Amino acid sequence: QMHLVESGGGVVQPGRSLRLSCVASGFTFRTYGMHWVRQAPGKGLEWVAVISNDGSYKTYADSVKGRFTISRDNSENTLFLQMNSLRDEDTAVYYCAKTNIAAGGGGFLDHWGQGSLVTVSS
Amino acid sequence: QSALTQPASVSGSPGQSITISCSGSSSDIGVYNYVSWYQQHPGKAPKLMIYDVSYRPSGVSNRFSGSKSGNTASLTISGLQPEDEADYFCSSYTTSTTWVFGGGTKVTVL
Repeated sequence: QMHLVESGGGVVQPGRSLRLSCVASGFTFRTYGMHWVRQAPGKGLEWVAVISNDGSYKTYADSVKGRFTISRDNSENTLFLQMNSLRDEDTAVYYCAKTNIAAGGGGFLDHWGQGSLVTVSS
Repeated sequence: QSALTQPASVSGSPGQSITISCSGSSSDIGVYNYVSWYQQHPGKAPKLMIYDVSYRPSGVSNRFSGSKSGNTASLTISGLQPEDEADYFCSSYTTSTTWVFGGGTKVTVL
């Protein structure tokens, strides 16, 4: 059974940093690309970033480009999201999700974690 | 990266069929068949219901079906059941090598 478990969320002041982690189990982590998707309270889903299976390809939403960095450690089956210069509008539940392909365009998100809440507030 | 357009809400009685539309552009839905649909119950993680426009993952009821015409994708739920009451989000890959979601549609079973 595939499992994705996020951690690292919490309350942080505007302008500060936070790193989210997502530990994967039940599948061969190094084979698949991974996404981060977020959902502000009471709002819809917003795609944040994707990383290829080997970490060589990364793409970001314009809203986080230059501030957030996606990375992975295949030896530890873990996905990361480093979030810098946080803003009020970054407040959301952050989900990690597995894609069905290794890299490149396309694909879909076939398994999701339960999410980690990040609250940016002074 | 404008969000795809979905109706805010759709409702139907048990046993009826409903269709949720998802309007995009020639930069996303119109050019790729990488359209997927996700179901989300309150407080839960999204669940994949349809991928590549019209394919159902293993375990998803065949009451759920997807289609696409031009820049618009659709999700149809036939034989509506109480457990189908949830939020539904469409998604597409884009020519900017990013992904975009719709704003979400709340399905109410009357």
